[in-house]
Amino acid sequence: EDQVTQSPEALRLQEGESSSLNCSYTVSGLRGLFWYRQDPGKGPEFLFTLYSAGEEKEKERLKATLTKKESFLHITAPKPEDSATYLCAVQTGGTSYGKLTFGQGTILTVHP
Amino acid sequence: ETGVTQSPTHLIKTRGQQVTLRCSSQSGHNTVSWYQQALGQGPQFIFQYYREEENGRGNFPPRFSGLQFPNYSSELNVNALELDDSALYLCASSFLTYEQYFGPGTRLTVT
Repeated sequence: EDQVTQSPEALRLQEGESSSLNCSYTVSGLRGLFWYRQDPGKGPEFLFTLYSAGEEKEKERLKATLTKKESFLHITAPKPEDSATYLCAVQTGGTSYGKLTFGQGTILTVHP
Repeated sequence: ETGVTQSPTHLIKTRGQQVTLRCSSQSGHNTVSWYQQALGQGPQFIFQYYREEENGRGNFPPRFSGLQFPNYSSELNVNALELDDSALYLCASSFLTYEQYFGPGTRLTVT
């Protein structure tokens, strides 16, 4: 069974204090790894897709990387508006449909 | 370009009742997936629809059912509601199995 574990569960940062969120996974045949941002009471907002080990993607203060066992979401010089829950999800291969298996999320709080 | 929309926003039902939730896909998308998100948890896959047929299902009982219409919009139906069905229900649309874009969700409360 596919498993996705995110750490830490919660992270508090001061504005400008860079850090990383971790997503480790155990799957058979990874097709893609997805990062989403979710604000309270809203649907997840798509951030990145990573398909192969060594791949990196960047968007503003966020950078996502992928290895064969885990992914990191690096946040550089965060601002209070980056506060949200960050979700990691995997899509596995060998199927004809795009089921996503999510981790439980990391709650990020950035203090001014 | 219109994003994914869901209705209603909030819903309160009594145990044993039935509920229908609706979702309109993003323009250009032909696949719809439904997820259930309990408080403090990641979304859990319920099922996916492609070409108006169920194209994969998660670990949910048959009282969870769905439909997809020719315009790619979709419905999620839940019969015999239980207290544990209280959650945020999320619809996501995609073009085939590519990136899924989520709607704002429907908050269902079962009392």
